Amino acid sequence: QKEVEQNSGPLSVPEGAIASLNCTYSDRGSQSFFWYRQYSGKSPELIMFIYSNGDKEDGRFTAQLNKASQYVSLLIRDSQPSDSATYLCAVPSGGYQKVTFGTGTKLQVIP
Amino acid sequence: EAQVTQNPRYLITVTGKKLTVTCSQNMNHEYMSWYRQDPGLGLRQIYYSMNVEVTDKGDVPEGYKVSRKEKRNFPLILESPSPNQTSLYFCASSPTGLAGISSYEQYFGPGTRLTVT
Repeated sequence: QKEVEQNSGPLSVPEGAIASLNCTYSDRGSQSFFWYRQYSGKSPELIMFIYSNGDKEDGRFTAQLNKASQYVSLLIRDSQPSDSATYLCAVPSGGYQKVTFGTGTKLQVIP
Repeated sequence: EAQVTQNPRYLITVTGKKLTVTCSQNMNHEYMSWYRQDPGLGLRQIYYSMNVEVTDKGDVPEGYKVSRKEKRNFPLILESPSPNQTSLYFCASSPTGLAGISSYEQYFGPGTRLTVT
């Protein structure tokens, strides 16, 4: 089992809809979780991080963490064409020094 | 401007010719890391450094070397590049929290696209 798994997509949603991106992880000791957005040809940039079980909201983005089930998700409300990108889940491990990224989910928002 | 810089941005080289990709950050971050990104495999960590003179292997260290003689610089060295090292390379840095925990966001450089023929 991979340490961090994401569905590669592409996930296509119409403009204005909610996009739901999921990530599962294998290390039960993981404490922090990060979502990065990467536009084609660009470097990743952080959009959300979450440490505690439950939901964390920031504008149109909501991160959801369920440690018992070992998954973290990212919801994007009112999706815009500018949200079209690859979304990477990142989980520190190995004593919080190593960072493992998922392979990313490509999101396409259709106007 | 706070940033991570990488040079060169693009490099085409031949098998066996030693090369160095430089990485520099101006944010006084303790933690620095190198990743390679390949289609279908995502970002994979090559090496990381918690501070000056402290480096450790990531998930794919074979064929690479690093050094951390200064806090701001973290060069990636390919002593004898091979075609399977053709990839997009990213350098990243972040501050560290208490007890060396890297619990903050990583700031990525613009990437270096390396082709080894």
